[in-house]
Amino acid sequence: DVKVTQSSRYLVKRTGEKVFLECVQDMDHENMFWYRQDPGLGLRLIYFSYDVKMKEKGDIPEGYSVSREKKERFSLILESASTNQTSMYLCASSSRRRVGEQYFGPGTRLTVT
Amino acid sequence: DAKTTQPPSMDCAEGRAANLPCNHSTISGNEYVYWYRQIHSQGPQYIIHGLKNNETNEMASLIITEDRKSSTLILPHATLRDTAVYYCIVRPRGGANNLFFGTGTRLTVIP
Repeated sequence: DVKVTQSSRYLVKRTGEKVFLECVQDMDHENMFWYRQDPGLGLRLIYFSYDVKMKEKGDIPEGYSVSREKKERFSLILESASTNQTSMYLCASSSRRRVGEQYFGPGTRLTVT
Repeated sequence: DAKTTQPPSMDCAEGRAANLPCNHSTISGNEYVYWYRQIHSQGPQYIIHGLKNNETNEMASLIITEDRKSSTLILPHATLRDTAVYYCIVRPRGGANNLFFGTGTRLTVIP
């Protein structure tokens, strides 16, 4: 079974803090994704990575950066957390050929106070 | 990508088949139909996908009409653990990297 794990289920941070969210997948997938999910807005793609050190901006990259130094690990960084970044953050992975078949982690519920 | 329309909610008795419909009348020839579900407080879970033929796996069956304008996801013997929001997504092969999750159908399996 594909397994995608995220470093925390719940996280509370203060405004202005730097926040790291980590994601690890064990299926040797080339693609990894970071989404956020908000009520009424569905899932929105923040960043996508198709290979080590490669990344593409998604629909809402502002205020975020990413890092992919190893194939299995994809990190989302909030450079200076703000209250409007309070959200559920979901990591996913897929093979290069089956992008529509994405496997998601359990999510991290981040609260910025 | 083609838009999809799903009923907002459905109930199903435990042990019975759950049939979840999806309308995608503007689907084009190279677009696949994907189904995901999201159980409360968890990440979405891939279920199944298809192009024009019916598909079955260990979780569900996907029936796509001949004109491909609609499809039905079938959970043959619903259990309480199948209570979730089910999303029907249409996506072209080689399309955008992100998946567009609409509002989905909230399925409640009743004991």
